[in-house]
Amino acid sequence: KAGVTQTPRYLIKTRGQQVTLSCSPISGHRSVSWYQQTPGQGLQFLFEYFSETQRNKGNFPGRFSGRQFSNSRSEMNVSTLELGDSALYLCASRGDGTGVTEKLFFGSGTQLSVL
Amino acid sequence: QKEVEQNSGPLSVPEGAIASLNCTYSDRGSQSFFWYRQYSGKSPELIMSIYSNGDKEDGRFTAQLNKASQYVSLLIRDSQPSDSATYLCAVWSNYQLIWGAGTKLIIKP
Repeated sequence: KAGVTQTPRYLIKTRGQQVTLSCSPISGHRSVSWYQQTPGQGLQFLFEYFSETQRNKGNFPGRFSGRQFSNSRSEMNVSTLELGDSALYLCASRGDGTGVTEKLFFGSGTQLSVL
Repeated sequence: QKEVEQNSGPLSVPEGAIASLNCTYSDRGSQSFFWYRQYSGKSPELIMSIYSNGDKEDGRFTAQLNKASQYVSLLIRDSQPSDSATYLCAVWSNYQLIWGAGTKLIIKP
């Protein structure tokens, strides 16, 4: 079974640009979550999608948005990039997304650098 | 704001000794607790989950949960250099996982 696939692996953008990141969950998983990870800050929850609906949202500005398609693939968009958006963006999927005991499976992440 | 606190370390432990990692959380209603391991440049991977008070053992790893004191710990017995990584504590709270900043563990040969 293929794991969680994130593309691209690396991105370099300049301030003011926008970026779209992609995540394909494990086959059969319907829940996809997005996280931002920066040194010293740990994992910060961005949002979770389940069956094409945003189920939960973290404390990030509206420049961060996402969506999920009918095949459970998800995209995350960041508009008007700022230097502080430089981070590793991780996507994670889990089974049917209904249980608090479910294990998260992470992708390899997208390393975003904003210059 | 629900919080999960961990000592950032680094925690240095000799090879073969017991490594003890601790985590405290603020939401008394939390029911699920997880330990993830993250090697440098890699993604987090789940190593232990615990839901009831007490100890849960899996190989060299033991997770301990004390809901009354709101802490969860991870013990690694017979520490190996390959255990050197950052260990992330995650707590399910209010429909999302809240993560600690992680403890960097260094196992010295």
